[in-house]
Amino acid sequence: NSKVIQTPRYLVKGQGQKAKMRCIPEKGHPVVFWYQQNKNNEFKFLINFQNQEVLQQIDMTEKRFSAECPSNSPCSLEIQSSEAGDSALYLCASSLPSPSGNTLYFGEGSRLIVV
Amino acid sequence: QQKVQQSPESLTVSEGAMASLNCTFSDGTSNNFRWYRQHSAKGLEVLVSIFSDGEKEEGRFTAHLNRANLHVSLHIREPQPSDSAVYLCAVSMINAGAKLTFGGGTRLTVRP
Repeated sequence: NSKVIQTPRYLVKGQGQKAKMRCIPEKGHPVVFWYQQNKNNEFKFLINFQNQEVLQQIDMTEKRFSAECPSNSPCSLEIQSSEAGDSALYLCASSLPSPSGNTLYFGEGSRLIVV
Repeated sequence: QQKVQQSPESLTVSEGAMASLNCTFSDGTSNNFRWYRQHSAKGLEVLVSIFSDGEKEEGRFTAHLNRANLHVSLHIREPQPSDSAVYLCAVSMINAGAKLTFGGGTRLTVRP
């Protein structure tokens, strides 16, 4: 199925520590999304890119996260100072650009636990 | 703001019996609908995508879309215990970079 690769699968951080997650999108997919899924199955859109450019991001991401999708390197999402409420599954997804169809293919996620 | 709701929250069916899941959305201009499933604490697997009213079949999974009624459903034919998972409805527009809005999920359990 999906060939979106996310690392690490799990990370445990103390409050105030940085937490960095990486994502290799499916080959040939220029569009990349990051979502946060909490324990209640609620999905929060964080940021998306097309090629190396940010398309949209929410305020929280802009203020507390650092994210990039450099060419020829994995995309990354880094929380600058982890808080307990950041504990969640962070999902990366990639897709082709429209009009080819923009099915999002998801990786298995990075589960962050902030203690 | 788009609201997507799924029902039921949980569903138990016997192996081989049809499973039917429902999803309603609030923005009638939406034109991109997907069903995903998620086995516990894993990534999302896309099952079927549908963009226009009617039916779309992918193997044992069939989606029905009725945009006038703001409703999309998923029917699983001959479900197996390995189909036990959380099923998620996702709604957006067809354009690159369009955000998906997810429903809260339906937890399906298939009894042998």
